Amino acid sequence: AQSVTQLDSQVPVFEEAPVELRCNYSSSVSVYLFWYVQYPNQGLQLLLKYLSGSTLVKGINGFEAEFNKSQTSFHLRKPSVHISDTAEYFCAVSRGNFNKFYFGSGTKLNVKP
Amino acid sequence: DGGITQSPKYLFRKEGQNVTLSCEQNLNHDAMYWYRQDPGQGLRLIYYSQIVNDFQKGDIAEGYSVSREKKESFPLTVTSAQKNPTAFYLCASSTGHGSGANVLTFGAGSRLTVL
Repeated sequence: AQSVTQLDSQVPVFEEAPVELRCNYSSSVSVYLFWYVQYPNQGLQLLLKYLSGSTLVKGINGFEAEFNKSQTSFHLRKPSVHISDTAEYFCAVSRGNFNKFYFGSGTKLNVKP
Repeated sequence: DGGITQSPKYLFRKEGQNVTLSCEQNLNHDAMYWYRQDPGQGLRLIYYSQIVNDFQKGDIAEGYSVSREKKESFPLTVTSAQKNPTAFYLCASSTGHGSGANVLTFGAGSRLTVL
């Protein structure tokens, strides 16, 4: 079975500062990697995905993530955060012929003015 | 606009009662999923269905049941056998075809509270 580890349950950061949300996964085979965002009492929205090709993936709202196969990591970054980025962020992994997803436990990003 | 509709948004249940959460999609997706979300635990898969009239148990299926009689609909019943049903429930769908690269589309969720 897959496992996805999000090392930080909460990340406080000031507005306009850079942020990195960490995600590590365990797998000996090729996987597909995703980051989703969840605003309070809402469903999840896709931020970005890595399927193949370039290891640097750009997503919506200025977010990007880098796939590092040797470290089995897929960290999410943003160079300058806004108050509106306050939300919970989930890293997810899927593989195989049917996309059964495995989610991390989530990281709450709290952007302070 | 295409999307997933979950209802009700909030639901209260007395112990010993069964409740059914509705999930309808108009995305023409073949695959549908139910996830349970608890604080600090991420999303855990309850059931999924790749095609009409077929579904499989996920990681935490005990105390839950589903049906998939129509492509658009995948209702979840939380039975009295579920010992700790208070949670946020999310329905999702995907095209389900081919590789695992397909993206999940989520509904807005249903929050169930047991009184």
